[in-house]
Amino acid sequence: EVQLVESGGGLVQPGGSLRLSCAASGFTFSSYWMSWVRQAPGKGLEWVANIKQDGSEKYYVDSVKGRFTISRDNAKNSLYLQMNSLRAEDTAVYYCARVMSYSSSLLFDYWGQGTLVTVSS
Amino acid sequence: SYVLTQPPSVSVAPGQTARITCGGNNIGSKSVHWYQQKPGQAPVLVVYDDSDRPSGIPERFSGSNSGNTATLTISRVEAGDEADYYCQVWDSSSDNYVFGTGTKVTVL
Repeated sequence: EVQLVESGGGLVQPGGSLRLSCAASGFTFSSYWMSWVRQAPGKGLEWVANIKQDGSEKYYVDSVKGRFTISRDNAKNSLYLQMNSLRAEDTAVYYCARVMSYSSSLLFDYWGQGTLVTVSS
Repeated sequence: SYVLTQPPSVSVAPGQTARITCGGNNIGSKSVHWYQQKPGQAPVLVVYDDSDRPSGIPERFSGSNSGNTATLTISRVEAGDEADYYCQVWDSSSDNYVFGTGTKVTVL
């Protein structure tokens, strides 16, 4: 059974930093692109970042470029999101998601339960 | 950037059919995926590549895509189908995953 378990969320002041983790199990982690997707309170879904199987390619939504860094450790079956210079608008539930490639498209076939990040003074 | 527009809400009586639209410029040329999100839970993939269902998803969930509109259809709606539904495409021109604005389905 595929499982994705996020951790590391919490309350942080504006300008602060936080590191999210996602522990994966039930599949060959090193064979998949992985992503972070976030959802602000009462709002819709927003893709944040993704990373290739070997970590050699990384992509970000414009609003987090230069502030967030996605990484992975295939030996530990873990995905990470280092978030720096946090802003109030980064407040959201952050989901770890597995990326599936199908018919020249990309989608998210499994999601974790999410971890809440609150940026507030 | 590519924009996907969904109606904010759809209401349907139990046993009837709910249709949720997702509008985008020439969306028929793209592969559309749909997610169900119940309150306090993570999204779940219910339809991918316009009309395919992952294992475990009931046949009551189906999809279509043509022109400027993709549609998720839920037949014989049940109380447990009450949730937010999001469409999603991969926009290769911007290397972005694009989500629709979301539709809240209410079962009357």
